Amino acid sequence: GENVEQHPSTLSVQEGDSAVIKCTYSDSASNYFPWYKQELGKRPQLIIDIRSNVGEKKDQRIAVTLNKTAKHFSLHITETQPEDSAVYFCAATFNDYKLSFGAGTTVTVRA
Amino acid sequence: NAGVTQTPKFQVLKTGQSMTLQCAQDMNHNSMYWYRQDPGMGLRLIYYSASEGTTDKGEVPNGYNVSRLNKREFSLRLESAAPSQTSVYFCASSSSNEQFFGPGTRLTVL
Repeated sequence: GENVEQHPSTLSVQEGDSAVIKCTYSDSASNYFPWYKQELGKRPQLIIDIRSNVGEKKDQRIAVTLNKTAKHFSLHITETQPEDSAVYFCAATFNDYKLSFGAGTTVTVRA
Repeated sequence: NAGVTQTPKFQVLKTGQSMTLQCAQDMNHNSMYWYRQDPGMGLRLIYYSASEGTTDKGEVPNGYNVSRLNKREFSLRLESAAPSQTSVYFCASSSSNEQFFGPGTRLTVL
């Protein structure tokens, strides 16, 4: 199956600074890469996704980049705010619609 | 439109007891999933159902069984609970790639 590695496991940033989370995947057939945000005690919720035919996608303060050749993708959060504090998971598809998730990154935004 | 719902929200079992976690979705999705979430390990797929009447093993299926009762409902059963099954369990559904998650069930096995 797919193996997704995510770094760093924890990230502390000053409010207003940028945060970057990186993931690598192993299956070259993967074609869909979502990012989920999970607040404490809540369910994971999709914040942005990218398909393999696109190199970059942006939605307000968040953006995702994909390098298919290197098999890695990244989440960028600009102008971080306290409400961005959460655990973020990357994922990649394998065998149709199954997702393999990274281990998660705990982001803390310091006021 | 409730999305994905799960019951119960919390459960404590003794080793060897059995129980069924219930999941239902009202989005007319074909695919449904069961995950477990443990600290530092992300979400791991237990079982998967591509459509009504079909189920398939995921990454960590041992100790679990599932039933896709109809298009809406997908249940997860622990026949003989073990402490290693202490976890938070999430159900999800999808019609294409995007998966929608339920609120989770926090299970403790003593």
